[in-house]
Amino acid sequence: EIVLTQSPATLSLSPGERATLSCRASQSVSTYLAWYQQKPGQAPRLLIYDASNRATGVPARFSGSGSGTDFTLTISSLEPEDSAVYYCQQRSNWPPYTFGQGTKLEIK
Amino acid sequence: EVQLVESGGGLLQPGGSLRLSCAASGFTFSEHNMNWVRQAPGKGLEWVSYISSSSSTLYFADSVKGRFTISRDNAKNSLYLQMNSLRAEDTAVYYCAREGRRVTTIDFWGQGTLVTVSS
Repeated sequence: EIVLTQSPATLSLSPGERATLSCRASQSVSTYLAWYQQKPGQAPRLLIYDASNRATGVPARFSGSGSGTDFTLTISSLEPEDSAVYYCQQRSNWPPYTFGQGTKLEIK
Repeated sequence: EVQLVESGGGLLQPGGSLRLSCAASGFTFSEHNMNWVRQAPGKGLEWVSYISSSSSTLYFADSVKGRFTISRDNAKNSLYLQMNSLRAEDTAVYYCAREGRRVTTIDFWGQGTLVTVSS
């Protein structure tokens, strides 16, 4: 089973700043990696699929990069509504789908 | 508008059984593979089970294999999860989750239904 490790666990930044979230896979997942945003009391929402493709309706300030074992989600200029937990997920070697443990992003 | 609405959650004792349902609307349900994903209180996401669009392929997480079954009724636009021999560690919000056709992963989630297993 592929293990995804996200860092940092918590990130606290101010509006307008740039956020960089990391996801590392225990073995190569090629570009079969997605990012989800989950706000309190809500279901996850797909942001990025296949490492770098924005899902429909996702603002352009969200971008994804990486391949193999190292991936990054970047939020170029933070808005207050970006406060959430962000999860990465792989579908390269499945079942099972696996998720990272999440990064909690706080907007000061 | 795409909608996935889960139902059937509740409080039950260890060893009990429960059937979750997910009603789909706003898209052609029969063309999409579907999943159940769960989230224990305050914890991360855990994939539980997968069913292909035609029900020909089923997958289960090791943690539920032999206890849970997944099924669907394309005529009723519905997905199901039959959960037997429930344990305290099965306590979670259970999400119905759609796989995209153009998007090669889970692209839409329902709001979830809470299952609590406690004596």
